[in-house]
Amino acid sequence: AQTVTQSQPEMSVQEAETVTLSCTYDTSESDYYLFWYKQPPSRQMILVIRQEAYKQQNATENRFSVNFQKAAKSFSLKISDSQLGDAAMYFCARKGGNTPLVFGKGTRLSVIA
Amino acid sequence: DVKVTQSSRYLVKRTGEKVFLECVQDMDHENMFWYRQDPGLGLRLIYFSYDVKMKEKGDIPEGYSVSREKKERFSLILESASTNQTSMYLCASSVPPGQENTEAFFGQGTRLTVV
Repeated sequence: AQTVTQSQPEMSVQEAETVTLSCTYDTSESDYYLFWYKQPPSRQMILVIRQEAYKQQNATENRFSVNFQKAAKSFSLKISDSQLGDAAMYFCARKGGNTPLVFGKGTRLSVIA
Repeated sequence: DVKVTQSSRYLVKRTGEKVFLECVQDMDHENMFWYRQDPGLGLRLIYFSYDVKMKEKGDIPEGYSVSREKKERFSLILESASTNQTSMYLCASSVPPGQENTEAFFGQGTRLTVV
């Protein structure tokens, strides 16, 4: 089975600081997509950022950016200037050519005021 | 605004009951999915569908079935509910790969308790 691994079950960060969440994945496909989703206590899954595997440039969305290392099959999420509203479960996910999203087990992020 | 709606936010059912979880999307998406979310296990795929009347098993289909009679609606059925099916169920939809914005859009989740 093609897997997604998040090695940090829990992380914490001070407000206004930077935190990096790790994700590695396994795939035999050359064309695929990677995502980070956020799930706050409301349970609504929200897309944070996406990366197409064929793109060399790392995706950025405001305070959120990724470090995509294709050869290492690594896709980490960096959150800058952390805010209280960033506290949530974060899921890394991979999607292949015509295969459904495969998720990691999640990282619970706490933000300390 | 993109919308995936699950019929219930909370549901309590008895062991042995037949349970229907309904999901409707208004985005004309071809692909629809049912996931189960448990603490420490992330989201696991139960079933998915790439077209009307079509269904494919995911990673944990045992004890579940699905129905997709219309493009916008994808139902998850627990044929005979058991306590180990107590969980959070998430429905999602997406466009096919190769199109823009191929990420999945999720419903708000149904927390099912089987007693």
